[in-house]
Amino acid sequence: AQSVTQLGSHVSVSEGALVLLRCNYSSSVPPYLFWYVQYPNQGLQLLLKYTTGATLVKGINGFEAEFKKSETSFHLTKPSAHMSDAAEYFCAVRMNTGNQFYFGTGTSLTVIP
Amino acid sequence: EPEVTQTPSHQVTQMGQEVILRCVPISNHLYFYWYRQILGQKVEFLVSFYNNEISEKSEIFDDQFSVERPDGSNFTLKIRSTKLEDSAMYFCASSLRGDGYTFGSGTRLTVV
Repeated sequence: AQSVTQLGSHVSVSEGALVLLRCNYSSSVPPYLFWYVQYPNQGLQLLLKYTTGATLVKGINGFEAEFKKSETSFHLTKPSAHMSDAAEYFCAVRMNTGNQFYFGTGTSLTVIP
Repeated sequence: EPEVTQTPSHQVTQMGQEVILRCVPISNHLYFYWYRQILGQKVEFLVSFYNNEISEKSEIFDDQFSVERPDGSNFTLKIRSTKLEDSAMYFCASSLRGDGYTFGSGTRLTVV
Protein backbone atom coordinates (compact mmCIF):
# COMPACT_ATOMS: atom_id res chain seq x y z
CA ALA A 1 0.00 0.00 0.00
CA GLN A 2 1.05 3.54 -0.59
CA SER A 3 2.01 5.74 2.30
CA VAL A 4 2.00 9.47 2.65
CA THR A 5 4.01 11.19 5.34
CA GLN A 6 3.31 14.70 6.49
CA LEU A 7 6.07 15.93 8.75
CA GLY A 8 4.73 18.07 11.54
CA SER A 9 1.19 17.53 12.74
CA HIS A 10 1.08 21.17 13.86
CA VAL A 11 2.74 24.14 12.20
CA SER A 12 2.54 27.73 13.46
CA VAL A 13 3.58 30.74 11.41
CA SER A 14 3.23 34.45 11.87
CA GLU A 15 0.89 36.36 9.60
CA GLY A 16 2.85 37.39 6.52
CA ALA A 17 5.47 34.67 6.97
CA LEU A 18 6.25 31.82 4.59
CA VAL A 19 4.11 28.71 4.91
CA LEU A 20 5.83 25.38 4.25
CA LEU A 21 3.94 22.14 4.78
CA ARG A 22 5.85 18.97 4.01
CA CYS A 23 4.66 15.86 2.23
CA ASN A 24 6.58 12.78 1.18
CA TYR A 25 5.21 9.69 -0.48
CA SER A 26 6.43 6.16 -0.92
CA SER A 27 6.17 4.93 -4.45
CA SER A 28 8.64 3.80 -7.07
CA VAL A 29 6.29 5.11 -9.74
CA PRO A 30 5.34 8.78 -9.45
CA PRO A 31 1.72 8.98 -8.41
CA TYR A 32 -0.79 11.73 -8.84
CA LEU A 33 -0.42 14.16 -5.94
CA PHE A 34 -2.95 16.37 -4.23
CA TRP A 35 -3.29 18.85 -1.43
CA TYR A 36 -6.63 19.32 0.30
CA VAL A 37 -7.62 21.87 2.93
CA GLN A 38 -10.23 21.31 5.62
CA TYR A 39 -11.67 24.27 7.47
CA PRO A 40 -13.43 23.61 10.79
CA ASN A 41 -16.67 21.68 10.37
CA GLN A 42 -16.31 21.65 6.61
CA GLY A 43 -15.40 19.13 3.95
CA LEU A 44 -12.18 18.65 2.07
CA GLN A 45 -11.47 21.29 -0.55
CA LEU A 46 -8.97 20.69 -3.33
CA LEU A 47 -6.10 23.19 -3.20
CA LEU A 48 -4.05 21.87 -6.09
CA LYS A 49 -2.97 18.71 -7.85
CA TYR A 50 -0.12 17.33 -9.88
CA THR A 51 -0.72 14.71 -12.54
CA THR A 52 1.78 15.30 -15.33
CA GLY A 53 3.70 18.16 -16.88
CA ALA A 54 5.11 21.14 -15.05
CA THR A 55 6.36 20.13 -11.62
CA LEU A 56 5.49 23.45 -9.99
CA VAL A 57 1.76 23.57 -9.54
CA LYS A 58 -0.22 26.63 -8.55
CA GLY A 59 -3.44 26.31 -6.65
CA ILE A 60 -6.11 28.41 -5.03
CA ASN A 61 -5.56 31.03 -2.33
CA GLY A 62 -1.95 31.65 -3.38
CA PHE A 63 -0.68 28.17 -2.57
CA GLU A 64 1.70 26.23 -4.74
CA ALA A 65 3.50 22.91 -4.55
CA GLU A 66 6.47 21.41 -6.31
CA PHE A 67 6.77 17.77 -7.26
CA LYS A 68 10.32 16.55 -6.76
CA LYS A 69 10.69 13.01 -7.99
CA SER A 70 14.23 12.59 -6.67
CA GLU A 71 13.04 13.47 -3.17
CA THR A 72 9.59 11.81 -3.49
CA SER A 73 8.18 15.05 -2.14
CA PHE A 74 5.31 17.41 -2.82
CA HIS A 75 5.68 20.22 -0.30
CA LEU A 76 3.06 22.95 -0.10
CA THR A 77 4.11 26.58 0.15
CA LYS A 78 2.64 30.04 0.33
CA PRO A 79 4.86 33.13 0.41
CA SER A 80 2.79 35.09 2.90
CA ALA A 81 0.40 33.54 5.42
CA HIS A 82 -3.00 35.05 6.02
CA MET A 83 -5.19 34.53 9.06
CA SER A 84 -7.75 32.81 6.85
CA ASP A 85 -5.20 30.11 5.99
CA ALA A 86 -5.62 28.54 9.43
CA ALA A 87 -6.97 25.05 8.72
CA GLU A 88 -6.03 21.39 8.45
CA TYR A 89 -4.08 20.47 5.33
CA PHE A 90 -3.95 16.97 3.87
CA CYS A 91 -1.59 15.61 1.28
CA ALA A 92 -2.93 12.72 -0.77
CA VAL A 93 -1.69 10.45 -3.53
CA ARG A 94 -3.41 8.34 -6.11
CA MET A 95 -1.66 5.88 -8.33
CA ASN A 96 -2.28 6.31 -12.03
CA THR A 97 -3.97 2.93 -11.95
CA GLY A 98 -6.91 2.65 -9.58
CA ASN A 99 -9.07 5.30 -7.97
CA GLN A 100 -8.20 5.05 -4.32
CA PHE A 101 -6.66 8.04 -2.60
CA TYR A 102 -4.19 7.64 0.24
CA PHE A 103 -4.13 10.53 2.68
CA GLY A 104 -1.50 11.75 5.05
CA THR A 105 -2.37 12.33 8.69
CA GLY A 106 -2.78 16.04 8.13
CA THR A 107 -1.02 19.18 9.30
CA SER A 108 -2.85 21.74 11.37
CA LEU A 109 -1.75 25.25 10.40
CA THR A 110 -2.05 28.04 12.94
CA VAL A 111 -1.46 31.63 11.85
CA ILE A 112 -0.36 33.98 14.61
CA PRO A 113 -1.37 37.62 14.26
CA GLU B 1 -19.86 25.84 -8.30
CA PRO B 2 -21.31 22.30 -8.16
CA GLU B 3 -21.27 20.69 -4.75
CA VAL B 4 -21.52 17.27 -3.22
CA THR B 5 -24.26 17.40 -0.60
CA GLN B 6 -24.34 15.16 2.44
CA THR B 7 -27.17 14.72 4.90
CA PRO B 8 -27.46 14.79 7.83
CA SER B 9 -24.50 16.85 9.00
CA HIS B 10 -24.55 15.11 12.35
CA GLN B 11 -26.19 11.85 13.36
CA VAL B 12 -26.30 10.20 16.74
CA THR B 13 -27.28 6.56 16.90
CA GLN B 14 -27.34 3.81 19.47
CA MET B 15 -24.91 0.94 19.20
CA GLY B 16 -26.41 -1.91 17.21
CA GLN B 17 -28.74 0.32 15.20
CA GLU B 18 -28.68 0.63 11.44
CA VAL B 19 -27.74 3.99 10.00
CA ILE B 20 -27.91 5.34 6.45
CA LEU B 21 -25.74 8.24 5.40
CA ARG B 22 -26.89 10.08 2.33
CA CYS B 23 -25.00 11.86 -0.39
CA VAL B 24 -25.99 13.67 -3.56
CA PRO B 25 -22.96 13.69 -5.88
CA ILE B 26 -22.39 16.19 -8.64
CA SER B 27 -24.89 15.38 -11.34
CA ASN B 28 -22.60 14.47 -14.25
CA HIS B 29 -20.01 12.63 -12.15
CA LEU B 30 -19.49 8.93 -12.70
CA TYR B 31 -17.29 7.81 -9.81
CA PHE B 32 -18.46 7.86 -6.21
CA TYR B 33 -16.62 7.27 -2.98
CA TRP B 34 -16.95 7.05 0.75
CA TYR B 35 -14.13 7.92 3.11
CA ARG B 36 -14.09 8.24 6.86
CA GLN B 37 -12.03 10.17 9.36
CA ILE B 38 -11.92 9.01 12.94
CA LEU B 39 -11.31 11.98 15.22
CA GLY B 40 -7.63 12.91 15.18
CA GLN B 41 -6.71 10.34 12.57
CA LYS B 42 -6.16 10.31 8.84
CA VAL B 43 -8.84 10.17 6.19
CA GLU B 44 -9.33 6.53 5.22
CA PHE B 45 -10.73 5.07 2.05
CA LEU B 46 -13.82 2.90 2.41
CA VAL B 47 -15.21 2.19 -1.02
CA SER B 48 -15.45 3.37 -4.60
CA PHE B 49 -18.44 2.85 -6.87
CA TYR B 50 -18.61 3.04 -10.63
CA ASN B 51 -21.11 1.84 -13.19
CA ASN B 52 -23.50 0.72 -10.48
CA GLU B 53 -21.08 -1.55 -8.72
CA ILE B 54 -18.29 -1.45 -6.18
CA SER B 55 -14.97 -1.03 -7.95
CA GLU B 56 -12.68 -1.02 -4.91
CA LYS B 57 -13.09 -1.43 -1.19
CA SER B 58 -10.80 -1.38 1.79
CA GLU B 59 -10.52 -3.91 4.60
CA ILE B 60 -12.57 -1.50 6.73
CA PHE B 61 -15.53 -2.00 4.42
CA ASP B 62 -16.71 -5.31 5.84
CA ASP B 63 -20.10 -7.01 5.68
CA GLN B 64 -21.58 -4.41 8.00
CA PHE B 65 -21.24 -1.79 5.28
CA SER B 66 -23.08 -1.46 2.00
CA VAL B 67 -23.50 1.21 -0.62
CA GLU B 68 -26.28 1.92 -3.02
CA ARG B 69 -27.23 4.36 -5.72
CA PRO B 70 -30.97 3.86 -5.52
CA ASP B 71 -32.30 6.46 -7.90
CA GLY B 72 -29.52 7.87 -10.09
CA SER B 73 -28.97 10.90 -7.89
CA ASN B 74 -28.41 9.69 -4.34
CA PHE B 75 -25.48 7.61 -3.13
CA THR B 76 -25.91 6.03 0.28
CA LEU B 77 -23.72 4.30 2.81
CA LYS B 78 -25.47 1.90 5.17
CA ILE B 79 -24.00 0.53 8.35
CA ARG B 80 -26.13 -2.40 9.48
CA SER B 81 -25.26 -2.70 13.14
CA THR B 82 -23.24 0.23 14.35
CA LYS B 83 -20.35 -0.15 16.78
CA LEU B 84 -18.75 2.47 18.98
CA GLU B 85 -15.69 2.42 16.73
CA ASP B 86 -17.81 3.47 13.76
CA SER B 87 -17.97 6.95 15.26
CA ALA B 88 -16.25 9.16 12.72
CA MET B 89 -16.73 11.82 10.10
CA TYR B 90 -17.89 10.19 6.88
CA PHE B 91 -17.10 11.96 3.62
CA CYS B 92 -18.74 11.30 0.31
CA ALA B 93 -16.90 12.30 -2.85
CA SER B 94 -17.56 12.18 -6.55
CA SER B 95 -15.42 12.51 -9.61
CA LEU B 96 -16.02 12.80 -13.31
CA ARG B 97 -13.05 10.79 -14.51
CA GLY B 98 -11.67 9.23 -11.34
CA ASP B 99 -9.04 11.88 -10.76
CA GLY B 100 -9.50 14.93 -8.50
CA TYR B 101 -12.46 14.42 -6.27
CA THR B 102 -15.04 16.84 -4.99
CA PHE B 103 -15.78 16.07 -1.37
CA GLY B 104 -18.94 16.75 0.57
CA SER B 105 -18.87 18.53 3.91
CA GLY B 106 -19.24 15.26 5.76
CA THR B 107 -21.61 13.57 8.19
CA ARG B 108 -20.41 13.27 11.75
CA LEU B 109 -21.64 9.93 13.07
CA THR B 110 -21.66 9.45 16.82
CA VAL B 111 -22.44 5.96 18.12
CA VAL B 112 -23.45 5.86 21.77
